[in-house]
Amino acid sequence: AQSVAQPEDQVNVAEGNPLTVKCTYSVSGNPYLFWYVQYPNRGLQFLLKYITGDNLVKGSYGFEAEFNKSQTSFHLKKPSALVSDSALYFCAVRDDTGGFKTIFGAGTRLFVKA
Amino acid sequence: EAGVAQSPRYKIIEKRQSVAFWCNPISGHATLYWYQQILGQGPKLLIQFQNNGVVDDSQLPKDRFSAERLKGVDSTLKIQPAKLEDSAVYLCASSTDSYMNTEAFFGQGTRLTVV
Repeated sequence: AQSVAQPEDQVNVAEGNPLTVKCTYSVSGNPYLFWYVQYPNRGLQFLLKYITGDNLVKGSYGFEAEFNKSQTSFHLKKPSALVSDSALYFCAVRDDTGGFKTIFGAGTRLFVKA
Repeated sequence: EAGVAQSPRYKIIEKRQSVAFWCNPISGHATLYWYQQILGQGPKLLIQFQNNGVVDDSQLPKDRFSAERLKGVDSTLKIQPAKLEDSAVYLCASSTDSYMNTEAFFGQGTRLTVV
């Protein structure tokens, strides 16, 4: 069965510092991994995805994520955080043996302090 | 490009009442999803349509929830009768297809409060 874990409920970082939001997953087959962001009173927005190929994936708003197969992780990163990055971040996974279902993590709230 | 439209944005009902939510996906998107997001949790897939056919409804409480997507475009999700534990945000999303590598586009959601 598929599962996703986001071990931190909240991440606090100062503006200008690098940020990391952690995600680990468990699937039976090959993983397809996604990051979404949710701003207050808005729907989820797609940030980036890993399908195959290069382990470092670049996405919207300067975010990137690193796929690590041995550690079954897909951590979201940004070299320099902005106050406007403060939001709720969700990691999601599908696998090619689990049908069409996408499983979302519980979310990590990112707070960037000026 | 217009996004996924949902209505209403907010709904308050008493338990045992019925409620319906409407979703209009992005034009041309064959796949439509309904998710339930309970406060403090990630979205949980309720039902997924490919055109007007259901491809996954394994987590839909079929004794009280129903959904349809007539003509393969817009969709309605209904709850009858509602329970207190149905209080959540109901998110509609769409994508171009159901392939594994396709991301979804989400609407703003409908916040349901059951009292």
